[in-house]
Amino acid sequence: DQQVKQNSPSLSVQEGRISILNCDYTNSMFDYFLWYKKYPAEGPTFLISISSIKDKNEDGRFTVFLNKSAKHLSLHIVPSQPGDSAVYFCAASRLRGGADGLTFGKGTHLIIQP
Amino acid sequence: DGGITQSPKYLFRKEGQNVTLSCEQNLNHDAMYWYRQDPGQGLRLIYYSQIVNDFQKGDIAEGYSVSREKKESFPLTVTSAQKNPTAFYLCASSDPGNQETQYFGPGTRLLVL
Repeated sequence: DQQVKQNSPSLSVQEGRISILNCDYTNSMFDYFLWYKKYPAEGPTFLISISSIKDKNEDGRFTVFLNKSAKHLSLHIVPSQPGDSAVYFCAASRLRGGADGLTFGKGTHLIIQP
Repeated sequence: DGGITQSPKYLFRKEGQNVTLSCEQNLNHDAMYWYRQDPGQGLRLIYYSQIVNDFQKGDIAEGYSVSREKKESFPLTVTSAQKNPTAFYLCASSDPGNQETQYFGPGTRLLVL
């Protein structure tokens, strides 16, 4: 049973526009949520995180929104740039730093069109 | 330069052989992790260690073994009991007391001949 779901395998967005990537989770014990960016044959790179006591966290062009009641989070990238083209993974954990491991979604392939 | 190194980048294994993947970190992190990624899938947790000389099974530990004799090192052995070992293996570390994130190494691709 998938505890973290990214229902869009791919997303195409024009350069300069907003990219919105969505993630749903089922385990109410998750308290920490992270977004990673990944290129093929490389390790994931951390982008941004949010804990369950917040509903929004911002870092430059990246903003993560958390709706605990809906068990839903989203990553907004504004404005989208060609270098943002990659696979984005949503991850969740019960403990800070994923101390007992992170649970990942299957990823969304973001394609930024010129 | 602080970070996580994994070696080798590519590894070939014959049927019935055990192979060991290396993971070293110089971030002074207490916790280390091994994940596996298959095509079109997310990362799945194999083993993790929150402190030296202690480790726990993750979601897919069968056919794998680990050791944590030093803080900096967390090698993963893929045994012959792992029936489908071909995958991309990723090592990570974290400092749970101070940070919310895990940092990942560059990965090792294991192929069975």
